[in-house]
Amino acid sequence: EVELMESGGGLVQPGGSLRLSCAASGFIFSKYVMYWVRQAPGKGLEYVSGISSNGGSTYYANSVRGRVSISRDNSKKTLYLQMGRLRGEDMGVYYCARADLYDNYGMDVWGQGTTVAVSS
Amino acid sequence: QSALTQPPSASGSPGQSVTISCTGTSSDVGGYHYVSWYQQRPGKAPKLLIHEVTRRPSGVPARFSGSKSGNTASLTVSGLQAEDEADYYCSSYGGSNLFVVFGGGTKLTVL
Repeated sequence: EVELMESGGGLVQPGGSLRLSCAASGFIFSKYVMYWVRQAPGKGLEYVSGISSNGGSTYYANSVRGRVSISRDNSKKTLYLQMGRLRGEDMGVYYCARADLYDNYGMDVWGQGTTVAVSS
Repeated sequence: QSALTQPPSASGSPGQSVTISCTGTSSDVGGYHYVSWYQQRPGKAPKLLIHEVTRRPSGVPARFSGSKSGNTASLTVSGLQAEDEADYYCSSYGGSNLFVVFGGGTKLTVL
């Protein structure tokens, strides 16, 4: 079964750091573009970052650029999001998502999400 | 990096059709064939309904269809069912490699 499983969320103080992970199973992870998408409480979906299948290309939303780093380990079938200088507006559920193999901008598989809370 | 514009709400009675719009610019929706639509039920992850403007993934009912005209994409849900009550989001290639822009979401109510 094709599956994505996020982990690493939790409560962090403002200015703190967190690393999210997304473990993939049931498909050839190294073939797919991957994304992080977040959702603040009661709000809509917000693109965070994307990474190419081999990890050589990345892109970030303006809201997180310079504070966040996306990476992947294809040998471990795992996607990462290193987050730093966290702010209240970074709170929410973080989803990892797989892009369709032929349409890199349609996300056809999503994880269940991991929750990030920022508070002192 | 401006969000795409969706109406905050839409509604229809069972059996009716409803169309949700998604307006962007020529730099995203209007310029490329990479518009997707997602359904999200409360407490759940989003589910892909439509990608590349009109393509339905396997398993998505034919009641869901997509189209685009100029800078505006649309999702039509035909033969509304109670289970279609959910939030719907559009997204588009945002004009840079690996960049996706989302709409603000539309809450669909089945009356």
